[in-house]
Amino acid sequence: DTEVTQTPKHLVMGMTNKKSLKCEQHMGHRAMYWYKQKAKKPPELMFVYSYEKLSINESVPSRFSPECPNSSLLNLHLHALQPEDSALYLCASSSRDRAVSTDTQYFGPGTRLTVL
Amino acid sequence: AQKITQTQPGMFVQEKEAVTLDCTYDTSDPSYGLFWYKQPSSGEMIFLIYQGSYDQQNATEGRYSLNFQKARKSANLVISASQLGDSAMYFCAMREGRANAGKSTFGDGTTLTVKP
Repeated sequence: DTEVTQTPKHLVMGMTNKKSLKCEQHMGHRAMYWYKQKAKKPPELMFVYSYEKLSINESVPSRFSPECPNSSLLNLHLHALQPEDSALYLCASSSRDRAVSTDTQYFGPGTRLTVL
Repeated sequence: AQKITQTQPGMFVQEKEAVTLDCTYDTSDPSYGLFWYKQPSSGEMIFLIYQGSYDQQNATEGRYSLNFQKARKSANLVISASQLGDSAMYFCAMREGRANAGKSTFGDGTTLTVKP
């Protein structure tokens, strides 16, 4: 089973709202990722958690705050977003039990975020 | 310099025919992995196939095969017997062994349309 789940599927929020995106995997993977994807563009890496510790932050604005409460769960807390933050947010996970170059990422279905 | 290049923004193929999607890459790392993902309009990134830099044989997964030409630094995806459900955006991605550990580099994608 290579399933990564994400909730909600769609989210509309105002610029003053606080909301959270949730990602879950039960494959025993030890690395989890957040990506942002604009229409017709490749995904852009935001954050990487490896063994529940933040290992990569791609200079993401502080209005995005990731959290990894346990090895199966990854959250992305959103606060004071801008309309240009509207995008598809994808979560992914990978096993990390082999070399990085062979480590396949499995993606969730994404959350389509609209910021008004 | 772009590390992954997909030169075909859009491709058309007749149903039941084979199609090749091009991908060239650039790395000085001897250890790397190449991945292809399919992204339908629903948004989910679906892992299709993986090729390791040390693999002697071209990877195959059902109707998908990877034409790996290491000297030319190309990793083209071949889809045989195209189906209407193959219409989607396809991304080529690379993970390097030493450089940029934890990050995947994606190409700009190719939109494939299968005609009935």
